[in-house]
Parts: sequence; C-alpha cells; structure tokens
Amino acid sequence: AQTVTQSQPEMSVQEAETVTLSCTYDTSESNYYLFWYKQPPSRQMILVIRQEAYKQQNATENRFSVNFQKAAKSFSLKISDSQLGDTAMYFCAFSGGNQFYFGTGTSLTVIP
Amino acid sequence: KAGVTQTPRYLIKTRGQQVTLSCSPISGHRSVSWYQQTPGQGLQFLFEYFSETQRNKGNFPGRFSGRQFSNSRSEMNVSTLELGDSALYLCASGLYRGQETQYFGPGTRLLVL
Repeated sequence: AQTVTQSQPEMSVQEAETVTLSCTYDTSESNYYLFWYKQPPSRQMILVIRQEAYKQQNATENRFSVNFQKAAKSFSLKISDSQLGDTAMYFCAFSGGNQFYFGTGTSLTVIP
Repeated sequence: KAGVTQTPRYLIKTRGQQVTLSCSPISGHRSVSWYQQTPGQGLQFLFEYFSETQRNKGNFPGRFSGRQFSNSRSEMNVSTLELGDSALYLCASGLYRGQETQYFGPGTRLLVL
C-alpha cells in the first residue's frame, strides 16, 4: 500500500524568508506522480506543483520548488521569499496505481 | 475553462436525514473523486468515478454512495446522517484516472445537528 507522511504538523516562517516542508512516501510503483497542494483558509485546494517520478529534474513554479529524491522517497517543497498569502495548509500527495494518496498536511504560517 | 463547481456550498441537516451533493468537473474531465475532510481525520478518500463507473472506493460505510452521469457530473449521497458526518466534502476532477492531476472544487460544508 502507498503511504504519504508529512512529519511537520505546523511550521512558521518570517515574511521574505525561505521555508522547506518535508514529505516522504512509500510505494512499490515504478511510475507515479507527486504533488503539493495548498489549502488557504478559504478552503479551496489549489495545485502548487507537480513532479513526474521519471523526471530527474526538480520541478519549479516561480517561488516554489521541490527537492525530489527518488531513492530516498522524499519530496520536499521549498518556498522562497515567503509572502503572507502563503499562509495555508500544505498537503503532499502521491498518485499511482490509479489512486491518489494524501499526507496529513503541514500548517504553514507566514509571520509579518 | 471554468473550474470544478460544487453545489450547494453550505448545508445544514439533522440526524437521520439524507443529503445529496453535486459536482460538475472541468469540461472534458472524465474522472471525479470525492473526499471527506475533517479536522481530526484529515483528507479521507470516499470514491472515484470514471466513465460512469465507480473505480475505487474508500473505507466508508454503505450510507455513502455516489454516481456519475454521462456528462461526467457526479453526485454523492449520504443517507441516515450522523453527527460525525459533519465535514467539508471536496470533489476533484481529472482528465483520466489515476496519475493525472486532480483539480479541486471549493467544497460543500455539511453540518449535521
């Protein structure tokens, strides 16, 4: 069975600083995708970034980037130049075997 | 393209009643998944529909059911509501099954009194 683990329930970061959110997963699938979703207080779940497992290059979307370590089954999210609007719950997700699996989330607070 | 829409956005019911929630996926998307989100349990997978067939089901009692129509719109139904069914119900759509990115709707917040 696939599992996704986010070991940091809560984190905080000063505005304009950089923060890294951790995620590990376990799978026997060889072909899969990894995602980070953001859920702000409005509750709308928004896709932040996506990584295909077969790609060695780490995905980047503006201030968001990932560190994908396939052998270690690690998929961390780095947020650079943190902004107040980044305050949200962040979910790591794994997609493989025709199903999605979500971690328990990390609540990130950006402090002005 | 319009995003995933869910109706209603808010709902208040009493124990024992039943409720039907609706989800319209992004145009062209054929996969619809439903999730229950509560503060204590996080995001729990309910079921996935693709081409009008239930493809996957999470660990929920039979009171939770769903269906998908030929236009890919989906409904989920909860019968004999319990207090513990109070939650945010999220719908997500994708082009195909499995590995495709899922795009979420705004959710339906259900309160059972």
